Amino acid sequence: DAGVIQSPRHEVTEMGQEVTLRCKPISGHDYLFWYRQTMMRGLELLIYFNNNVPIDDSGMPEDRFSAKMPNASFSTLKIQPSEPRDSAVYFCASSSGQGLTTEAFFGQGTRLTVV
Amino acid sequence: AQRVTQPEKLLSVFKGAPVELKCNYSYSGSPELFWYVQYSRQRLQLLLRHISRESIKGFTADLNKGETSFHLKKPFAQEEDSAMYYCALSMGRGSTLGRLYFGRGTQLTVWP
Repeated sequence: DAGVIQSPRHEVTEMGQEVTLRCKPISGHDYLFWYRQTMMRGLELLIYFNNNVPIDDSGMPEDRFSAKMPNASFSTLKIQPSEPRDSAVYFCASSSGQGLTTEAFFGQGTRLTVV
Repeated sequence: AQRVTQPEKLLSVFKGAPVELKCNYSYSGSPELFWYVQYSRQRLQLLLRHISRESIKGFTADLNKGETSFHLKKPFAQEEDSAMYYCALSMGRGSTLGRLYFGRGTQLTVWP
């Protein structure tokens, strides 16, 4: 397995534009997480899914943010409209509810810059 | 509430010196604890987990339930250990228990 795959790796967009971040979790994992990383706030959990169902979206900052998981192998995080304060690295992670531990595997992240 | 505290935002040591990155947690059940490491501009990687009781890259961490701590230690730091280290807690398996709670992270710098 190639691990958690995120795209794009880098995104530069203008304020007001829609941004869509994509994630492919590890096959067989039933949890998917979206995190945001900034210098000021560290790693923040935005939302997570279990078996494609959103379980906790309390970390989603505003209605401008939305996330979907239409199937077990794909998830999107959308920001519409984007603002400069959304600039951050967005990580997707997946984990399995089975096995001995609940280790999360992270993607490479998407570095978003909103100008 | 579940909470992970890493009291040191920055930690600097010289090469060859011992290093300890502190992590305390609050959770009334039986947690799973992890240390993740993030080298410059790379993805977070699992460094070690308490359940495995392993030593990775010379690092060890012992879960102390009495003190609710999971400090990361290495007797002789190396320059390549410079990175951001995150302590994380999981409440275990189950549909509402799968998420990780991360501390704010400690940036370790090892000087030559």
